[in-house]
Amino acid sequence: DTGVSQDPRHKITKRGQNVTFRCDPISEHNRLYWYRQTLGQGPEFLTYFQNEAQLEKSRLLSDRFSAERPKGSFSTLEIQRTEQGDSAMYLCASSPLVGYTFGSGTRLTVV
Amino acid sequence: SQQGEEDPQALSIQEGENATMNCSYKTSINNLQWYRQNSGRGLVHLILIRSNEREKHSGRLRVTLDTSKKSSSLLITASRAADTASYFCATVILIQGAQKLVFGQGTRLTINP
Repeated sequence: DTGVSQDPRHKITKRGQNVTFRCDPISEHNRLYWYRQTLGQGPEFLTYFQNEAQLEKSRLLSDRFSAERPKGSFSTLEIQRTEQGDSAMYLCASSPLVGYTFGSGTRLTVV
Repeated sequence: SQQGEEDPQALSIQEGENATMNCSYKTSINNLQWYRQNSGRGLVHLILIRSNEREKHSGRLRVTLDTSKKSSSLLITASRAADTASYFCATVILIQGAQKLVFGQGTRLTINP
């Protein structure tokens, strides 16, 4: 387990479809984060898990977004009824307490 | 929302020259971090400077922090083509037992061979 894995790397979907992304953190990291990055911008915080508990959610996470970390290991981020504005890079990161390790991200394109 | 501004937004220099990127932020901080992002990839942590530190070095990287001006700078000395990437500063907000990163908009650095 050498890093944070995200799957898929790229996803193209039609507007209105649902998509789900997966993140596998570093196994000994109990903290997991999701960020969203649009073109030319820095990443923006979406949500945070400590073990299986979702402890913080951004206003950016509308009702169409849901994230889970059912057993405190991998996490999924689902977007329902995708819109063109959802097109972005979705980044996952994990950490022990201090210091993040980011995955390579999932690039979502909504057409 | 973004924490602050990074300056310049884009920088293009010749290999071997030094590159300086600046970051300003708005709130009090515990620490400030710099990350690098190659095109279409995730972010790689470069260096962390705590609020009680003024300068920190790591290899060819030098980071300064001025809490009175709420600003930081990243200097890359003797740049290489492989340094071409986007560089982001991030401040840390403590949330429920963890650290939320608040990023600037980044500086796109291009090193010309």
